[in-house]
Amino acid sequence: SYELTQPPSVSVAPGKTARITCGGNDIEDKSVHWYQQKPGQAPVLVIYYDSDRPSGIPERFSGSNSGNTATLTISRVEAGDEADYYCQVSDSSSDHPLFGGGTKLTVL
Amino acid sequence: QVQLQESGPGLVKPSETLSLTCAVSGYSISSGYSWGWIRQPPGKGLEWIGNIYHSGRTYYNPSLQRRVTLSLDTSKNEFSLKLNSVTAADTALYYCARHILTGNWFDPWGQGTLVTVSS
Repeated sequence: SYELTQPPSVSVAPGKTARITCGGNDIEDKSVHWYQQKPGQAPVLVIYYDSDRPSGIPERFSGSNSGNTATLTISRVEAGDEADYYCQVSDSSSDHPLFGGGTKLTVL
Repeated sequence: QVQLQESGPGLVKPSETLSLTCAVSGYSISSGYSWGWIRQPPGKGLEWIGNIYHSGRTYYNPSLQRRVTLSLDTSKNEFSLKLNSVTAADTALYYCARHILTGNWFDPWGQGTLVTVSS
């Protein structure tokens, strides 16, 4: 089955840009979705279809997908962005939802 | 605005059946969309359990398929999860969510409910 690889952690200083990657074989051929999960809260969709933002999500959040890597980019990082971030795609063989292992974003 | 709320026992004994319900407000589940369950063991990542379409058709994670049953109760506007023969490995936060079929993503999610499997 398809596998997604995310770095366990990413650290960034406030005001800087954070980039969280999601690796998978030819992931560019898939639609990638991203969720933000703050401590003690349910996940929230922040990016769908690689780069679209749901209403209410700040423009600071953006996404891209090329080759074997999809990337969630958070510009002008704030303390409130500290959370776990998960990518999600459709499994190649079954079309079932598949989540990456998650990346903990720490704001220094 | 669609909202979802999970409910059910917080403690289940090993080998018994875990039963959870997700109440949906702001949208009639019989009108469309798909509805899903996702779980998260303590300190770990997200695992998809299964989806149920508004028609009642179901799709399950192959790793759980033998033990999982999803169902709809349109009269109460809620859907349910049953997971039988549970073990400690089934201890997790269980989330329900609306599944957007066309793109295969989940939005929004319920707040989650913790289920512990222990004697």
